Amino acid sequence: GDSVTQKQGQVTLSEDDFLFINCTYSTTTYPTLLWYVQYPGQGPQLLLKVTTANNKGISRGFEATYDKGTTSFHLQKASVQESDSAVYFCALVATGNYKYVFGAGTRLKVIA
Amino acid sequence: DPKIIQKPKYLVAVTGSEKILICEQYLGHNAMYWYRQSAKKPLEFMFSYSYQKLMDNQTASSRFQPQSSKKNHLDLQITALKPDDSATYFCASSQPGLGPLNQDTQYFGPGTRLLVL
Repeated sequence: GDSVTQKQGQVTLSEDDFLFINCTYSTTTYPTLLWYVQYPGQGPQLLLKVTTANNKGISRGFEATYDKGTTSFHLQKASVQESDSAVYFCALVATGNYKYVFGAGTRLKVIA
Repeated sequence: DPKIIQKPKYLVAVTGSEKILICEQYLGHNAMYWYRQSAKKPLEFMFSYSYQKLMDNQTASSRFQPQSSKKNHLDLQITALKPDDSATYFCASSQPGLGPLNQDTQYFGPGTRLLVL
């Protein structure tokens, strides 16, 4: 079945550091790939979304590139702020489907 | 104003009891979903409804029963509660795409945190 792997459980950075969160996926389809962000006490919010029609998603300074060759969808940001502290989830939805498959999540802590 | 309302925000229940988790969305969407998030597992798909009809059920147990009384409501009834049911339950909604390649974004509610003692 479809799966998403986020190996980094927690990332701790200082403000203005570069962020890289690893995400790889496995599916037999050409999925839509998404990053969601979850702040304490809230539901996941869409951060960015990439379909097969476009390779890269950019939102609020975050970007992720859909790499079919390496089946990766890593999340990057050039300079993090304390307000970026949250849990980030990578997800996929297979073509013709509606069931989102989420990774385990990566908790980002940014120290001022 | 919140677009997806989940009630209650917190819920404590005793083992063996029955509870209903409420979800209402005001996004005008025709598809609604339930997901579960616990310390042991990441966000996990449970059910999907489209135009008030069950489309997919990935929950092994019949103790979990979605109920859709209105197009913008999808409640979740859980019977014979067990401590393992303790989790945060998220409702989500989306507008079904026009075709198989048109996957519209799912929007999540704030969740109901359930603790079963």
